[in-house]
Amino acid sequence: GAGVSQTPSNKVTEKGKYVELRCDPISGHTALYWYRQSLGQGPEFLIYFQGTGAADDSGLPNDRFFAVRPEGSVSTLKIQRTERGDSAVYLCASSSTGGRLTYNEQFFGPGTRLTVL
Amino acid sequence: ELKVEQNPLFLSMQEGKNYTIYCNYSTTSDRLYWYRQDPGKSLESLFVLLSNGAVKQEGRLMASLDTKARLSTLHITAAVHDLSATYFCAVEEAGGTSYGKLTFGQGTILTVHP
Repeated sequence: GAGVSQTPSNKVTEKGKYVELRCDPISGHTALYWYRQSLGQGPEFLIYFQGTGAADDSGLPNDRFFAVRPEGSVSTLKIQRTERGDSAVYLCASSSTGGRLTYNEQFFGPGTRLTVL
Repeated sequence: ELKVEQNPLFLSMQEGKNYTIYCNYSTTSDRLYWYRQDPGKSLESLFVLLSNGAVKQEGRLMASLDTKARLSTLHITAAVHDLSATYFCAVEEAGGTSYGKLTFGQGTILTVHP
């Protein structure tokens, strides 16, 4: 079946602009995660959705970052007033379980490479 | 704050040799994951380890988990060029409100030479 998809694959923007990154999880997966990966580093957690609600947004770096998942499927990560330090690959993952009582094997999408000039 | 450390960070191996990558973490957890990442690609799930003493094997890779030592290992047997990639371990905190969130190690860049 189809895996996690992300669009766009690449996004170049200018400092100060607003961007939206989209994630389409594996069909039926209730949990959705956003991570950010800088060059040469491991992914860093941003936010986790269980259904429509954000179960943990502790990784969002500041209030310029916001994410939604209005219907419990597709999610959009929104970044306002972009800064050069926001340049990274933004990865989305989904899992079929999610939650306290069971493990959460996460399947990752191809990522969106964001470059802020 | 959970910390996950891998070593070595860089590993250059000859084909046919064996080696082990280590993953240490700083807090109690019995949920550990190994991923592979090829250059410019996303992460591929390799192993899910969910209990003390868990061992999983797939081809030339074997992963194990010691929750008391807070240590996981990824052992490579008779390396081949196709194994060249970056390998990440990731730990899921299973307590409080932090479940679901993965904390990754820095990654180990493995290069296998003829």
